[in-house]
Amino acid sequence: RKEVEQDPGPFNVPEGATVAFNCTYSNSASQSFFWYRQDCRKEPKLLMSVYSSGNEDGRFTAQLNRASQYISLLIRDSKLSDSATYLCVVSLSGGYNKLIFGAGTRLAVHP
Amino acid sequence: EADIYQTPRYLVIGTGKKITLECSQTMGHDKMYWYQQDPGMELHLIHYSYGVNSTEKGDLSSESTVSRIRTEHFPLTLESARPSHTSQYLCASSGIEKLFFGSGTQLSVL
Repeated sequence: RKEVEQDPGPFNVPEGATVAFNCTYSNSASQSFFWYRQDCRKEPKLLMSVYSSGNEDGRFTAQLNRASQYISLLIRDSKLSDSATYLCVVSLSGGYNKLIFGAGTRLAVHP
Repeated sequence: EADIYQTPRYLVIGTGKKITLECSQTMGHDKMYWYQQDPGMELHLIHYSYGVNSTEKGDLSSESTVSRIRTEHFPLTLESARPSHTSQYLCASSGIEKLFFGSGTQLSVL
């Protein structure tokens, strides 16, 4: 079993749609959680950190459920520019030490 | 924008050649990392360093080696490239606030 599991997609959605991605992690000792965005053939870039109380950044909302070892990302009012692969990332030791990456969920937003 | 640079961006080379992938950062970060990523797959940590003269192997076994003689420089070397080494190699460094990636080196070994 992979340490971080994501639905690979692709999620094909029209502009303006709301889309949700889920991620599960296997190690209950995981301490830090992140969502990264990766465009095709580019490097990953931090989208947002995920906090226990949940957090929002504009159209993006991240939730963490430690009991179920589950992380989610909600994107509202999808834009064409949101098309990318979204990576769920977990750190066992906190901070950015030895991050464990999921394989990503691909999102394609169409007109 | 991140101040971390990788060269070359693309490298096509024959089997048996020795190669070095360069990675430099100007942010003064102590922690640096090398990740390997195949198309559509997750990133795997192959090497990391917490400072000068500190290097450790990551979770994915790799025939490559690294060195950290200067804080800003973290090169990766393959003594004898093979087709199985074909992949994207991403260098990263981290400060307190976030992890920064270089733009990657796409390596193809023929």
